[in-house]
Amino acid sequence: GENVEQHPSTLSVQEGDSAVIKCTYSDSASNYFPWYKQELGKRPQLIIDIRSNVGEKKDQRIAVTLNKTAKHFSLHITETQPEDSAVYFCAASMSTGANNLFFGTGTRLTVIP
Amino acid sequence: NAGVTQTPKFQVLKTGQSMTLQCAQDMNHEYMSWYRQDPGMGLRLIHYSVGAGITDQGEVPNGYNVSRSTTEDFPLRLLSAAPSQTSVYFCASSYSSANEQFFGPGTRLTVL
Repeated sequence: GENVEQHPSTLSVQEGDSAVIKCTYSDSASNYFPWYKQELGKRPQLIIDIRSNVGEKKDQRIAVTLNKTAKHFSLHITETQPEDSAVYFCAASMSTGANNLFFGTGTRLTVIP
Repeated sequence: NAGVTQTPKFQVLKTGQSMTLQCAQDMNHEYMSWYRQDPGMGLRLIHYSVGAGITDQGEVPNGYNVSRSTTEDFPLRLLSAAPSQTSVYFCASSYSSANEQFFGPGTRLTVL
């Protein structure tokens, strides 16, 4: 099955700085890569996703890049705010079978005011 | 639209007891899944269903059963609870698995 690795496990940044979280995946057939944000005690919620026919996608302060050759994708948050503090999960979905999502182990982001 | 709902929110079991975690969605989604979330291990897929009457195993299916008799409901059964099943359980649904998955609020289960 798919194996998704995520780094770093924890990340602290000053408010206004940028944050970058990186993920790698093992199956070259994977073609859907979502990012979820989970606040303390809450459910995961999708913040952005990218498909293999696109190299970069932006939504306001959030961007995701995908390098299919190297099998890695990254989440970029610019101008961080305290409300960005949460755990972020990357995931990858294989294009065969039921297309189940395989999640990374998460990054706890702390934005220091 | 209630989205994805789960009951109960909290549960404490003794080793060997059985129970069912309930999950329902009102978005007419075909794909539903159950994950467990443990510290430092992310979300791991237990079982999933691509439609009513169809279920299959995920990464960590041992000790759990599921059924999908309707599009709306996808209960997860713990057959004989073990301390290793202490976790937070999330149910999710989506139009298909390669699209946004909507998560329920979770059930925090403790097995003593």
